[in-house]
Amino acid sequence: DGGITQSPKYLFRKEGQNVTLSCEQNLNHDAMYWYRQDPGQGLRLIYYSQIVNDFQKGDIAEGYSVSREKKESFPLTVTSAQKNPTAFYLCASSPQRDRGEDTQYFGPGTRLTVL
Amino acid sequence: QKEVEQNSGPLSVPEGAIASLNCTYSDRGSQSFFWYRQYSGKSPELIMSIYSNGDKEDGRFTAQLNKASQYVSLLIRDSQPSDSATYLCAVSSVDSSASKIIFGSGTRLSIRP
Repeated sequence: DGGITQSPKYLFRKEGQNVTLSCEQNLNHDAMYWYRQDPGQGLRLIYYSQIVNDFQKGDIAEGYSVSREKKESFPLTVTSAQKNPTAFYLCASSPQRDRGEDTQYFGPGTRLTVL
Repeated sequence: QKEVEQNSGPLSVPEGAIASLNCTYSDRGSQSFFWYRQYSGKSPELIMSIYSNGDKEDGRFTAQLNKASQYVSLLIRDSQPSDSATYLCAVSSVDSSASKIIFGSGTRLSIRP
């Protein structure tokens, strides 16, 4: 059953803690993305990766880090440097990042709350 | 700065009527256009993609694209209560030889019985 999985579904973080959000896909997609969504807002791009061992900053990368050691996996770490991390985090993937193959499909999301 | 604009709504439509959702974008070089549906607390789900001027129909959904006016719309015929959701318009633009998708903030649609 192909798709994108994210875990955990809900995550609570204390001030000063780093937390890591998991994203796995078995669609054999090359490109993967992380977005943040705040209530009533659109999606803002945090990081993206087109190939293994390579990734680029999106529009709001400060306070976040990623890795892409495997094609299937693109974990996101929310560091203590991110001052307002409470949000809905969405992982997406697409076959390519080139024109015509860039349709993005989303995982179910992780809701992060800072206590 | 490249932008995608949508009316935030809420747009209230009676059951069985046609719902019309609109989106404008700023980058004339945009190549791919998408509509996603997002239920409250859930992730976006792709409804339609459109790449050429004109209409594209899929069941009760029709996407319309006018590149000259930088305008894309989504029509939902025979609206059902299950269509109540937020609809996100997304536009793909070329940036450093690779595409980048920009999302609008969404239009909240409510279908009233």
